[in-house]
Amino acid sequence: AQKVTQAQTEISVVEKEDVTLDCVYETRDTTYYLFWYKQPPSGELVFLIRRNSFDEQNEISGRYSWNFQKSTSSFNFTITASQVVDSAVYFCALSEPLSDYKLSFGAGTTVTVRA
Amino acid sequence: NAGVTQTPKFRILKIGQSMTLQCAQDMNHNYMYWYRQDPGMGLKLIYYSVGAGITDKGEVPNGYNVSRSTTEDFPLRLELAAPSQTSVYFCASKLSDRVNSPDTQYFGPGTRLTVL
Repeated sequence: AQKVTQAQTEISVVEKEDVTLDCVYETRDTTYYLFWYKQPPSGELVFLIRRNSFDEQNEISGRYSWNFQKSTSSFNFTITASQVVDSAVYFCALSEPLSDYKLSFGAGTTVTVRA
Repeated sequence: NAGVTQTPKFRILKIGQSMTLQCAQDMNHNYMYWYRQDPGMGLKLIYYSVGAGITDKGEVPNGYNVSRSTTEDFPLRLELAAPSQTSVYFCASKLSDRVNSPDTQYFGPGTRLTVL
């Protein structure tokens, strides 16, 4: 069964628009960790954020913000005032004790920001 | 401090050939992982290691082998390459899993492998 679902396959926006990427996860653990990684066209995977399940405070880092909602098992990612350099594939991932903290990745969402 | 390095960056193999994908990290990380990424898909775990001399299978281990003789290196071996192994391969590492607090995995740049 898919543990991490990223329902949006592709999103295309015009520069300066906001874009929100959805991530829904499934776990039986009460303590778990969620991650977002960015994969730009060059192909490498860049770590963006890690969030643990007992900290439901939303986080903002520059133009990036994350909304963690335990009640709906979601960890959504918003890019505000998008730029062309934000064009990438974004992956959400889950790490849980039941899986020895191995990462379970979603299928990814491709974001294209047009100038 | 180079982080996680992978060689080669690109490789084309013929069906039935074998090769070793190299992965090294200089961060003294205990845990190392091999993933494959197929087009339009997320990453699937092939093998992982929690320390030198210890390896275990991931989600998709068939057709691959690994070894971990040192903390730094974690090579992935493909025997009898098949077209289904055409993929991008990523190596990752992390320091350890403290109680209830896993470390973040950091990834290498990837190896793009084509089997024809």
